[in-house]
Amino acid sequence: QKEVEQNSGPLSVPEGAIASLNCTYSDRGSQSFFWYRQYSGKSPELIMFIYSNGDKEDGRFTAQLNKASQYVSLLIRDSQPSDSATYLCAVMLLNNNNDMRFGAGTRLTVKP
Amino acid sequence: DVKVTQSSRYLVKRTGEKVFLECVQDMDHENMFWYRQDPGLGLRLIYFSYDVKMKEKGDIPEGYSVSREKKERFSLILESASTNQTSMYLCASNSNYGYTFGSGTRLTVV
Repeated sequence: QKEVEQNSGPLSVPEGAIASLNCTYSDRGSQSFFWYRQYSGKSPELIMFIYSNGDKEDGRFTAQLNKASQYVSLLIRDSQPSDSATYLCAVMLLNNNNDMRFGAGTRLTVKP
Repeated sequence: DVKVTQSSRYLVKRTGEKVFLECVQDMDHENMFWYRQDPGLGLRLIYFSYDVKMKEKGDIPEGYSVSREKKERFSLILESASTNQTSMYLCASNSNYGYTFGSGTRLTVV
């Protein structure tokens, strides 16, 4: 089993819809979870992180964490064409070095 | 604003050349990483370093080496470039708040 798994997609949603991106992880001791956005040909940029069970909202983005189910998701409300990118889920391991493991990414396309 | 700087955005090298990819961070982070990213394969860890003069192999170290002589600088070396090393190379450093990536170097080996 991979340490971090994401739906490979691609995911396509119409403009204005809600995009839902999902991620599961295998290390039950993991405490910190991150979502990165990566535009084609660019490097990943951090858009959200979450530590506690429940929801965390930042503008149009909501991260959801369920540690019991080892599941983290990212919702994008009112999706825009500029949200079209690959989204990487990352999990920080419980060690002294803040090591992270990345999912393979989900490609999202928002159609005008 | 924290920054990880990679010296080149695009590089074209010939097979057999020795290639140096440089990465500098200004955040005083202990830990630095080199990844390569290929379509469909995600991020793959090549080497990482938790301290000056220290290096550890990642998942795909073959054909690569690294150097960390100063805290802020982590260099990736391709001893003898081959066409299968054509890829996007990403450097990162980390803190409690996740990884910060450089802008990437797209290397083409011909």
